[in-house]
Amino acid sequence: QKEVEQNSGPLSVPEGAIASLNCTYSDRGSQSFFWYRQYSGKSPELIMFIYSNGDKEDGRFTAQLNKASQYVSLLIRDSQPSDSATYLCAVNSGNTPLVFGKGTRLSVIA
Amino acid sequence: NAGVTQTPKFQVLKTGQSMTLQCAQDMNHNSMYWYRQDPGMGLRLIYYSASEGTTDKGEVPNGYNVSRLNKREFSLRLESAAPSQTSVYFCASSGSWNQPQHFGDGTRLSIL
Repeated sequence: QKEVEQNSGPLSVPEGAIASLNCTYSDRGSQSFFWYRQYSGKSPELIMFIYSNGDKEDGRFTAQLNKASQYVSLLIRDSQPSDSATYLCAVNSGNTPLVFGKGTRLSVIA
Repeated sequence: NAGVTQTPKFQVLKTGQSMTLQCAQDMNHNSMYWYRQDPGMGLRLIYYSASEGTTDKGEVPNGYNVSRLNKREFSLRLESAAPSQTSVYFCASSGSWNQPQHFGDGTRLSIL
């Protein structure tokens, strides 16, 4: 059973701080990694994806992948109250659908 | 540029009634998926279709059936609705397994 684990939170950070969201996965053969943001009552929205070890930056967001340690993280710089949402990690391993974590709830306090 | 369109957005059913949730995508994606999301349970895969003409069971298929009508459309049917099927249902599509999934706005289904 392929598993993706996330701390459910809530993770509370002050406005302007860096929010760090973490995700671990069980399948060492996993190849593709995705971060989604889901506002309450809305559908998941893709933020970033990463395929290779290292960092990938897009605006205030940075995805970090460490395949040896089987974790992927999402950093949000200069956090804003509008970043308050649930963040879902999703992992692909070969010819099977994505496996989603249950999400981490982030609260940015003004 | 609609992306993934789900209908209806809201529905209330009585126990034992049947209904079909519709999903269509205009991104020429090969793969389509149906999820349900319940509080504290995350997204759970009900059924998926890797390509036109194929369907497979996901994590929670009992009580549901699907039809991949063509490349664009993937429907989910509840034959005899039960209160345990009260949930938010999301349809998603992707170009292939290792590409991002794109989600519709969801259907909020209540079964009394």
